[in-house]
Amino acid sequence: DARVTQTPRHKVTEMGQEVTMRCQPILGHNTVFWYRQTMMQGLELLAYFRNRAPLDDSGMPKDRFSAEMPDATLATLKIQPSEPRDSAVYFCASGSWQHEGREKLFFGSGTQLSVL
Amino acid sequence: AQTVTQSQPEMSVQEAETVTLSCTYDTSESDYYLFWYKQPPSRQMILVIRQEAYKQQNATENRFSVNFQKAAKSFSLKISDSQLGDAAMYFCAYSNRDDKIIFGKGTRLHILP
Repeated sequence: DARVTQTPRHKVTEMGQEVTMRCQPILGHNTVFWYRQTMMQGLELLAYFRNRAPLDDSGMPKDRFSAEMPDATLATLKIQPSEPRDSAVYFCASGSWQHEGREKLFFGSGTQLSVL
Repeated sequence: AQTVTQSQPEMSVQEAETVTLSCTYDTSESDYYLFWYKQPPSRQMILVIRQEAYKQQNATENRFSVNFQKAAKSFSLKISDSQLGDAAMYFCAYSNRDDKIIFGKGTRLHILP
C-alpha cells in the first residue's frame, strides 16, 4: 500500500539544537502539508506546498521554522533553534489534487518531538 | 480567515448507542469541502466521511452520517450503534477553494462497555 513516510518517528533533543523532520509523500501526489498536533491547539496547519511551491506558511513561526521541498519525493521541516514549547507531534500529509480532488489526505505516522 | 470549532473536548457514549459530535465553521466562501477524521491511539489519521458544500444530501458511510446545515455552518457527525473500536479523537476539517485544509481541536470519544 502507498503511504506517507515520516522520519524520525521519535526525536528527543535539547533546547537550542537544530531539528530536521523529513517526509516522503506518496509518489504522484502534488500537494504536501505540515501539521503540528498538541493537546491544547489540536492540529495546526504550519505550511503546505503544491508542486513543490509553498502556498501558505502563515501558521509557521518564521524566526525558527522553515519548510522546503528539495524535490518531489522529499519535504523537510526544520526548527532552529528548538525550544521546549515546540514539543509536539508533527504530521506530514499528502494528496493529489489532479485526480482525487479534495477527497482525502494521506497522513504519515508523525514525528513525536520532545525538546528538553 | 476560516475557522473550525469543536465545542466538545470529550464525550462518552454507551456501547451500541448513538452519539453526535458537533462542529461549526466560519467561512465566507460558497465552495468548500468538510471532513471528519478519526485518530485512534495509534496516532494514525483515518478519513471517516466527507461532504461537498454544493451537495444538499447528507453524506453517509455505514454507521457514520453527517448533518450538514450550510446556512448555520454546522457539520455534525452521528455515530450509530457505537462500538469499542470507535473510541478515538475525532477531528472536523474544512477545505477551501485553495485546498487549504484546517482542522478543529478535536473531540475525544470514549465508548463505555
